[in-house]
Amino acid sequence: DSGVTQTPKHLITATGQRVTLRCSPRSGDLSVYWYQQSLDQGLQFLIHYYNGEERAKGNILERFSAQQFPDLHSELNLSSLELGDSALYFCASSVSTRGGGYTFGSGTRLTVV
Amino acid sequence: DQQVKQNSPSLSVQEGRISILNCDYTNSMFDYFLWYKKYPAEGPTFLISISSIKDKNEDGRFTVFLNKSAKHLSLHIVPSQPGDSAVYFCAATGSSGTYKYIFGTGTRLKVLA
Repeated sequence: DSGVTQTPKHLITATGQRVTLRCSPRSGDLSVYWYQQSLDQGLQFLIHYYNGEERAKGNILERFSAQQFPDLHSELNLSSLELGDSALYFCASSVSTRGGGYTFGSGTRLTVV
Repeated sequence: DQQVKQNSPSLSVQEGRISILNCDYTNSMFDYFLWYKKYPAEGPTFLISISSIKDKNEDGRFTVFLNKSAKHLSLHIVPSQPGDSAVYFCAATGSSGTYKYIFGTGTRLKVLA
């Protein structure tokens, strides 16, 4: 157990629907990062939150949004889902120093049918 | 634009021999590099890192080498063990104020017993 909790582990939904992925960071970590891993692709950076504020955006679609709440958990909202959104979505947390890297959760596998 | 590249999607090595995984980057602003290991159905786990002020960092059986002029880093695993079989991602970040990592597409290492 890495200390980063992602729910749900698996999600199957239809095109056009909206889903919410949840992440609880490791205790004491203020930063949350979201990544998407599609088939045969590396981890694509989506967005970074630090202590409730958005700090950086990557290749995140306009149909996707995220937020970090006062208790530091984060949610990634995906709407108007398309088949191509099927992927593994990882959340990672850190204390916002570079040393030691992030701690990743085990991911949410999203399948859009 | 793939700023971090792992050109070998897979590598097979005999148990006890050396595994060498390679990674190239294009952005000269990157100054901190990491390697992550990922087992199926788990999130990536941090393995080893190196700052651009160094050209080598060692941790047990794992050594990372950095060649800044060539924008190239490599991970050496000696001796390789069957439990090292996993996907290895290299990642890079710069002093942008947000510690987002840019990941490569990964190399699947298989250590044969």
